[in-house]
Amino acid sequence: EVQLVQSGPEVKKPGQSLKISCKGSGYRFTNYWIAWVRQTPGKGLEWMGIIWPGDSETKYSPSFQGQVTISADKSISTAYVQWSSLKASDTAMYYCVRASGSPDYWGQGTLVTVSS
Amino acid sequence: DIVMTQSPDSLAVSLGERAAINCKSSQSVLDSSNNKNHLVWYQQKPGQPPKLLIFWASIRESGVPDRFSGSGSGTDFTLTISSLQAEDVAVYYCHQYYNLSWTFGQGTKVDIK
Repeated sequence: EVQLVQSGPEVKKPGQSLKISCKGSGYRFTNYWIAWVRQTPGKGLEWMGIIWPGDSETKYSPSFQGQVTISADKSISTAYVQWSSLKASDTAMYYCVRASGSPDYWGQGTLVTVSS
Repeated sequence: DIVMTQSPDSLAVSLGERAAINCKSSQSVLDSSNNKNHLVWYQQKPGQPPKLLIFWASIRESGVPDRFSGSGSGTDFTLTISSLQAEDVAVYYCHQYYNLSWTFGQGTKVDIK
């Protein structure tokens, strides 16, 4: 059974760093893209970027380029997104999504709350 | 970026009646190399991630009831629920994934009238 299991909810202060994870199982992790998607009530679903875990080729949305870093460790079938300095506006639900020809499986989501 | 525009933003339909959601892309998402439209439809209920309903614009995902269907090509797409059931109350999104650059529609909220 294909599963994407994300790390748990986070509460952080502005300026702090954060790295959240997405562990794939039930399939060959290096043969599918993993994308990250942000969801907020105000802006809906926004694509952040995508990575090919086989060689870590990464493409970012222009809106998120320079704001986050997407990475993957194929040895443990896990993808990550990290922030070096969080802002209140990063408060959102974050999802990882598997994709080959088309997207299919979504993680359960990680709620990130940034508040002073 | 390809902009995805859904209409309407919300609709209320009587149980057993038909619901249709439209999605228009600012440029074609048809891949001419394989004649496939890079478009999916999702259903999202509160507290859950989006659930894939339709891929390649018109192919129903395994396990999805056949009252859900997708149609369209190029820039204009439609998700149809042929006979609305109570469990179909949700927000529906279209999503294009052409050229590894994803964008989503703003969502359509479907309720019971």
